[in-house]
Amino acid sequence: AQSVTQLDSQVPVFEEAPVELRCNYSSSVSVYLFWYVQYPNQGLQLLLKYLSGSTLVKGINGFEAEFNKSQTSFHLRKPSVHISDTAEYFCAVSLLSWGKFQFGAGTQVVVTP
Amino acid sequence: DAGITQSPRHKVTETGTPVTLRCHQTENHRYMYWYRQDPGHGLRLIHYSYGVKDTDKGEVSDGYSVSRSKTEDFLLTLESATSSQTSVYFCAISDRGPGANVLTFGAGSRLTVL
Repeated sequence: AQSVTQLDSQVPVFEEAPVELRCNYSSSVSVYLFWYVQYPNQGLQLLLKYLSGSTLVKGINGFEAEFNKSQTSFHLRKPSVHISDTAEYFCAVSLLSWGKFQFGAGTQVVVTP
Repeated sequence: DAGITQSPRHKVTETGTPVTLRCHQTENHRYMYWYRQDPGHGLRLIHYSYGVKDTDKGEVSDGYSVSRSKTEDFLLTLESATSSQTSVYFCAISDRGPGANVLTFGAGSRLTVL
């Protein structure tokens, strides 16, 4: 079975500073990798996904993530955050071509002026 | 949340009562899921469906049942609610082909069991 570990439960960051959210996974087979974002009182939205190909994946709102197979990591980065990036971020993996995603516990990002 | 509607959005109930949450989609997607979200646990899969009348258990299925009699509707039932089932419940959908790797979520249903 696969598992996902998000290494930080909360990340405080100042506006316009860079942020990195760490995600490690374990799996004996190839996986698909995802980052989702949840704004307060809303459902989750897809930020970006890695299925195959280039290991650097660009998503919405200026976020990007890098797949590192040797380190089994999929860290999310943004070079300059905005107040509106305050949200909870979830890393997820899937073994299949559909569904049955495994989610991490989430990282709460709090952006302050 | 376009195309997915969850109802009710908020519900308070008492221990031992039955509760049904409804997920309705207008996207004609094949796959539907129910997750629960709890602090420190992220999202955990309760049940999922891969077609009409085709359902299977997720990692936290005890105390829950589901039904899917039409493509567009996926019902989650708590036969006898307990306080440990207080949570936010999310429905999600995905489709075949290139869309199969993307989950689209509803807005959530907050359930409080007293």
